[in-house]
This record gives sequence, structure tokens and C-alpha cells, in this order.
Amino acid sequence: NAGVTQTPKFQVLKTGQSMTLQCAQDMNHEYMSWYRQDPGMGLRLIHYSVGAGITDQGEVPNGYNVSRSTTEDFPLRLLSAAPSQTSVYFCASSPQGDYGYTFGSGTRLTVV
Amino acid sequence: DQQVKQNSPSLSVQEGRISILNCDYTNSMFDYFLWYKKYPAEGPTFLISISSIKDKNEDGRFTVFLNKSAKHLSLHIVPSQPGDSAVYFCAASDSGGATNKLIFGTGTLLAVQP
Repeated sequence: NAGVTQTPKFQVLKTGQSMTLQCAQDMNHEYMSWYRQDPGMGLRLIHYSVGAGITDQGEVPNGYNVSRSTTEDFPLRLLSAAPSQTSVYFCASSPQGDYGYTFGSGTRLTVV
Repeated sequence: DQQVKQNSPSLSVQEGRISILNCDYTNSMFDYFLWYKKYPAEGPTFLISISSIKDKNEDGRFTVFLNKSAKHLSLHIVPSQPGDSAVYFCAASDSGGATNKLIFGTGTLLAVQP
């Protein structure tokens, strides 16, 4: 049982490049979400999904896209990377109605 | 607009003493509150939670207190241990379980000195 797996762990992008952060969970959790962690800002919700085919915006969705074609996977796409998107990104999942999230170990992204 | 605030960026406590971490919120619709703990280079892990219908929840060395009138909650760790040294995030939800969406605070770095 791997829990929540995020890849890659580290990534450096140039401004304007696009990329996808991968997130997969093997616990059959309905709910999945993406957060970014920045110094002094805590964890801010980017996008979330309550089930396959359903996504919604969080607090800071601009510049990011998500899709949820399967229960297991919830990729986060950066359309055109900007230095302001330099951050640590966490994916989390939980059963519906349960706020005790399981988090992945994070992806540290640097945009230069 | 930060709906969940942790005004102390850091806290240092001696081993064996009590650690008190504080959290304030502005949204009166929040109905469920949680604390998460995070070690460096790891994802946060769930620690303890409380529903708005309660004012206290206890789990071993960890107790969370909720004061709805003051829109304030606190986490007490007694006794504190060096392994408790981590960043602690307060989180809240207003969705009544409909979406599992959580709003997190900025975190407090707890250092427990041996």
C-alpha cells in the first residue's frame, strides 16, 4: 500500500515551460486535492476533486489545470510556468466525509 | 484574506513542559477543525480534530480546545517531547463534509528542547 505518490520530487523549469505534476493514490479515496506551500503563506488550496470527472477551484487556481479521469490519478498541469509558481506542491487524498487527509511527500518546483 | 491565522511563526518549549499552539479564524461558517503536523521534506500528517459542536477533544498527549465565541482554537501537547518538534498547521472546513475542502493556516514551528 503506497498511499499517495507524487512525481517528480524535484523539478526546475524555465519561465514559459509547461509540465505536469503527477499524483496517484491506491486507497480508493474519492477526494483528492492539490496544495502549494510557500514561506509565511502556509498551505493554499489550488484545485480539488470529489470524484472521477469532477473538479473545482480552490483558493489559488490561476495558472493551473487539473483533470480527474480515474479515481486513482489527479495530475496538476502548469500551463506556462512563472517564477511565482516556485513552491512546494502537495497532493492529498481522503475518503469522502473524512478530513484526515493522506498527503504525498511533495514536489519541490523551481521556475527560473 | 487569510481565513485561518496562526500568529506565532515559532515556539520553543522545554522537554516535559506544555506546548500551546494557537489558531484564530474569521469564517463563522467553519464547522470542523483539524491540526496537522509536518516534518521537513515530508507531507503533513493528520494529528487531531474537533467538531464545532464540541469544545474539547483529547487524544493521548494532544488536546484541542475550541472557543467558538472567540473564533479561536488551541492545541495543547503535554508533556512535550523532542520528537514533537515540527511545523503544526491548523485547518478548517465549512462544507459540512460535502467536499472535504480544508483551509489551512500559515503554520507554527515548534522546537522542543531536550
